[in-house]
Amino acid sequence: GAVVSQHPSRVICKSGTSVKIECRSLDFQATTMFWYRQFPKKSLMLMATSNEGSKATYEQGVEKDKFLINHASLTLSTLTVTSAHPEDSSFYICSARGDRGMNTEAFFGQGTRLTVV
Amino acid sequence: AQSVAQPEDQVNVAEGNPLTVKCTYSVSGNPYLFWYVQYPNRGLQFLLKYITGDNLVKGSYGFEAEFNKSQTSFHLKKPSALVSDSALYFCAVRDPGYSTLTFGKGTMLLVSP
Repeated sequence: GAVVSQHPSRVICKSGTSVKIECRSLDFQATTMFWYRQFPKKSLMLMATSNEGSKATYEQGVEKDKFLINHASLTLSTLTVTSAHPEDSSFYICSARGDRGMNTEAFFGQGTRLTVV
Repeated sequence: AQSVAQPEDQVNVAEGNPLTVKCTYSVSGNPYLFWYVQYPNRGLQFLLKYITGDNLVKGSYGFEAEFNKSQTSFHLKKPSALVSDSALYFCAVRDPGYSTLTFGKGTMLLVSP
């Protein structure tokens, strides 16, 4: 299957600082990328959907000014958690879908464990 | 609107026995259905999908799933479980009219030796 690389896999930051998470599709062009947040023993919560070259579409309740998403190319999307606070600590996962149509599966990155201290 | 239900938080099975992880869905049109597996502190790995065609879909690692339109179900199955199959399994659905996947809450599969 296609490969999606997410970096870093783990990050610890101080409260008030910003953290950037990268998501790259290594062997296909990702026309659409998705960012999820997963709480312990919980399902994935979709945060936003981004299409290359356009603004991300955020789900209800997700602060767009706090979770900045950039999808500048067909192989790279970034999520920046701005002014992070301990309640932002979570497991963040990206996924990407290629350009072969809407019925293709999405491929997921390895996830990023963010801890804000 | 689209939704997925995984009625079991956890499924326990002995190694070598068959396993079933249940999933039911609700969509307005014909569904696209997916199963993913997640190991601790990792992202999701794609197992299989149903788009159209044969109701029995075969996927990775010996897993299969059966699409049942009348029961709106897409249960994941494997004839003989392995200890290494122990993980968190997610069913997901997408209505062709939507761009996004909707995930079930996940079912933890524990396979004992």
